[in-house]
Amino acid sequence: EDQVTQSPEALRLQEGESSSLNCSYTVSGLRGLFWYRQDPGKGPEFLFTLYSAGEEKEKERLKATLTKKESFLHITAPKPEDSATYLCAVQALLSGGYNKLIFGAGTRLAVHP
Amino acid sequence: GAVVSQHPSRVICKSGTSVKIECRSLDFQATTMFWYRQFPKKSLMLMATSNEGSKATYEQGVEKDKFLINHASLTLSTLTVTSAHPEDSSFYICSAPSGVAGGEGTQYFGPGTRLTVL
Repeated sequence: EDQVTQSPEALRLQEGESSSLNCSYTVSGLRGLFWYRQDPGKGPEFLFTLYSAGEEKEKERLKATLTKKESFLHITAPKPEDSATYLCAVQALLSGGYNKLIFGAGTRLAVHP
Repeated sequence: GAVVSQHPSRVICKSGTSVKIECRSLDFQATTMFWYRQFPKKSLMLMATSNEGSKATYEQGVEKDKFLINHASLTLSTLTVTSAHPEDSSFYICSAPSGVAGGEGTQYFGPGTRLTVL
């Protein structure tokens, strides 16, 4: 069964304290792994797409990496405005040719000054 | 990135009424759109895949007569919650992929619609 697991469930950091969020997955026919940021009461905001093991992408203080079984979202010197829920999702190919996203439960990040 | 809008952003209705939520892709065409539901502090659960020009595909456990989906054009999908009840209260979010067909490519999400049924 296709599954995405994120850890930790919640993370509290001091401003400037770097850390990593984990996303482990089991899926047949991986078509891509996605990271989103979601603020309370809003829709997810796209961050990164990773397609193959070894791939890395960076945006400001965030860097996403991918292996065959998991992805990490590294946050370097976080600021309070980085506080949000970070969602990981894998895109799987379904029968009939349709793709769908399977989401993890998310990591709620709180960065304190 | 691509922009997806939703309307309304929040709606409060009485039990038994129907509510329509619109999802529009503003700067790209989407033959496929997706509807999700999210409960407080929970992740997104896919409800259905909306297909332009054909019937929607519903996930297991989602009542298609309850949640009517119409994909009227390449930029508009609507979700109608029929005869809404308090248990239908939730955050509904749509998404549209940037790919050409079959939902491939990065999915861009709308801002969500908060439905409260009294």
